Amino acid sequence: QVQLVQSGAEVKKPAASVKVSCKASGYTFTSYHMHWVRQAPGQGLEWMGIINPSGGNTNYAQKFQGRVTMTGDTSTSTFYMELSSLTSEDTAVYYCARIEVTGRKGLNYWGQGTLVTVSS
Amino acid sequence: DIQLTQSPSFLSASVGDRVTITCRASQGISSYLAWYQQKPGKAPKLLIYAASTLQSGVPSRFSGSGSGTEFTLTISSLQREDFASYYCQQFNSNPFTFGQGTRLEIK
Repeated sequence: QVQLVQSGAEVKKPAASVKVSCKASGYTFTSYHMHWVRQAPGQGLEWMGIINPSGGNTNYAQKFQGRVTMTGDTSTSTFYMELSSLTSEDTAVYYCARIEVTGRKGLNYWGQGTLVTVSS
Repeated sequence: DIQLTQSPSFLSASVGDRVTITCRASQGISSYLAWYQQKPGKAPKLLIYAASTLQSGVPSRFSGSGSGTEFTLTISSLQREDFASYYCQQFNSNPFTFGQGTRLEIK
C-alpha cells in the first residue's frame, strides 16, 4: 500500500533553513508528482508547490519562490522540501501529498506531517 | 492565481441536519475541484474529486456539485464524526490553491 513517511519535528532559529523529508513506498516513485502543503497553527491549508520526480521539474507558489527547493532522490524514493530564511510565520505543519491515480485530481495520500517551529 | 472563497467560514449544526458549504472560484476552473475533511491533529482526507465524484470509501451522505466558478459540498444527514473542518482545492492551474476552510461544529 502507498505510504508517505515524513521526518520528525524540527525547531529552528529565525534565518535558518529546514529540510523535511518524505519517504515514499508502495508504488513506483517516478510515476506521481508530489505536492507540499503546509498549515500554520489554527490556520488553513496552503499549497506550496509540486515536483515531478521523473526529471525533477518543479513548480512553486509565488509566495515561496526563491526560498523553497523541492527535490527527489530516486535511489531512496525520498522527496525533500527545503525552506530557507525562516521566520516565525513559517511555523507550521508541513505535509507531502499525492493524487491516487492519474486523472483523479485530489490529494488522496498524505504524509503524517512534520511540525517545524521557528523560534529564537 | 485563482482564489477560492468558502462560505460560511464557521457553521454550527446538529446531528441529522443537512448542511451545505459553498466554494467560489475567482475564475472558471471547469470541474477541477476537490473537497477535504480535516480533524484536529490529522492530515486532510479526500472526500470528493472532479467536483462531484465521491472518493472510494467515503459515505454517500457526502455529495459535491458545481462547475465553473461555484461549487457546493453537501452533507445530507450530519453524523457526529462529521464535525470537522472542510477545505476545497482547485486543480485547474498552478498554484493549486485551497479555500480558507469551513469549521463545522456541533450546536
